[in-house]
Amino acid sequence: KQEVTQIPAALSVPEGENLVLNCSFTDSAIYNLQWFRQDPGKGLTSLLLIQSSQREQTSGRLNASLDKSSGRSTLYIAASQPGDSATYLCAVRPGGGYQKVTFGIGTKLQVIP
Amino acid sequence: EAQVTQNPRYLITVTGKKLTVTCSQNMNHEYMSWYRQDPGLGLRQIYYSMNVEVTDKGDVPEGYKVSRKEKRNFPLILESPSPNQTSLYFCASSPLFAGGGTQYFGPGTRLLVL
Repeated sequence: KQEVTQIPAALSVPEGENLVLNCSFTDSAIYNLQWFRQDPGKGLTSLLLIQSSQREQTSGRLNASLDKSSGRSTLYIAASQPGDSATYLCAVRPGGGYQKVTFGIGTKLQVIP
Repeated sequence: EAQVTQNPRYLITVTGKKLTVTCSQNMNHEYMSWYRQDPGLGLRQIYYSMNVEVTDKGDVPEGYKVSRKEKRNFPLILESPSPNQTSLYFCASSPLFAGGGTQYFGPGTRLLVL
């Protein structure tokens, strides 16, 4: 059974810092990995999707990498801003036509002005 | 506007009273899914559907039913709700090409079962 772990569970940084969030998974047979952000009491907003054949994806100040062999993905946030404060979740989708999705519990990020 | 909608957004009910939470998407996506989110447990998949009339269990299907009679709709049915089904529920959809594209989420339904 796929297990997804996100470390740290919570992170507090001063504004302007670059930071890295981690996501690890136990079964490397994935089709893709997706990063989301969730604001308190709100739904999930997709940030980046990495297909299994890709190594990284970039969107603005965000960069996500994927290393299937080691079962790891990282989300890099450059020049953090208070508006980046949210919970960040990763989700993995398996291959082989098996479409059960597994989420990590998330990393709660606070960016202090 | 491309979106996933859920109704109702908030619901208070009593144990045993059947309820349905609706989910609809306007993006012609093949894949739809229901999740529940609980503190400390994260998001867990309840059921998913890969197309009309094709559904399968996720990790926590007990006490729930789904149906997929139309491509755009994927209702979640609680036939006899219990207090342990108090949770925040999300519906999501995505295309299925190349093993699965970006998942889009609805705004959530907060359910309280007394």
